[in-house]
Amino acid sequence: DAGVTQSPTHLIKTRGQQVTLRCSPKSGHDTVSWYQQALGQGPQFIFQYYEEEERQRGNFPDRFSGHQFPNYSSELNVNALLLGDSALYLCASSSQSGGRGSTDTQYFGPGTRLTVL
Amino acid sequence: AQSVSQHNHHVILSEAASLELGCNYSYGGTVNLFWYVQYPGQHLQLLLKYFSGDPLVKGIKGFEAEFIKSKFSFNLRKPSVQWSDTAEYFCAVNAGAGNTPLVFGKGTRLSVIA
Repeated sequence: DAGVTQSPTHLIKTRGQQVTLRCSPKSGHDTVSWYQQALGQGPQFIFQYYEEEERQRGNFPDRFSGHQFPNYSSELNVNALLLGDSALYLCASSSQSGGRGSTDTQYFGPGTRLTVL
Repeated sequence: AQSVSQHNHHVILSEAASLELGCNYSYGGTVNLFWYVQYPGQHLQLLLKYFSGDPLVKGIKGFEAEFIKSKFSFNLRKPSVQWSDTAEYFCAVNAGAGNTPLVFGKGTRLSVIA
């Protein structure tokens, strides 16, 4: 049973560029959430996708956008990169179906390490 | 808004010592509580979770946590740590209804020395 996968593993960009990160959820999951983990901090929620729509959003600017595809995979796009966007970007998947015990557990991928120079 | 506080930034223990990592949250409604662990070079893994019922929750690798509602706390414990427990530990909470976002603490780095 494949877990959550993310690509690429590492990425180096310069200020002002744009980046796209990808995530495939765990088999059987239909919901994808994205988090940003800055060095020495806990992950911070960016947004969540379900049924190809953004359902919830954290306190991140519009430069951060996303997409979910019919196969439940997801992309995170960041435009006009800033130095402060350097972080580990985590994707978590979960399921909306089933009981409360299954819907509220999010499983994380290995992350994409983004460095902005 | 929800918030999570982890009291210790870095904890250093000798092997076989007992562990307790503090976690307090701020939220007035029903919550789900989690402890995740991040071993060096690995991704976040779920250690244990609390949704309802018995406030003492047992997780993987001998970890347990106790939910004390009156104290808004969910402390993680292990009676005897091993070198392999060296990792970053994150407490997280989300609201009780549906797939709500996780709010994480800043993490506690545990170093276990021989």
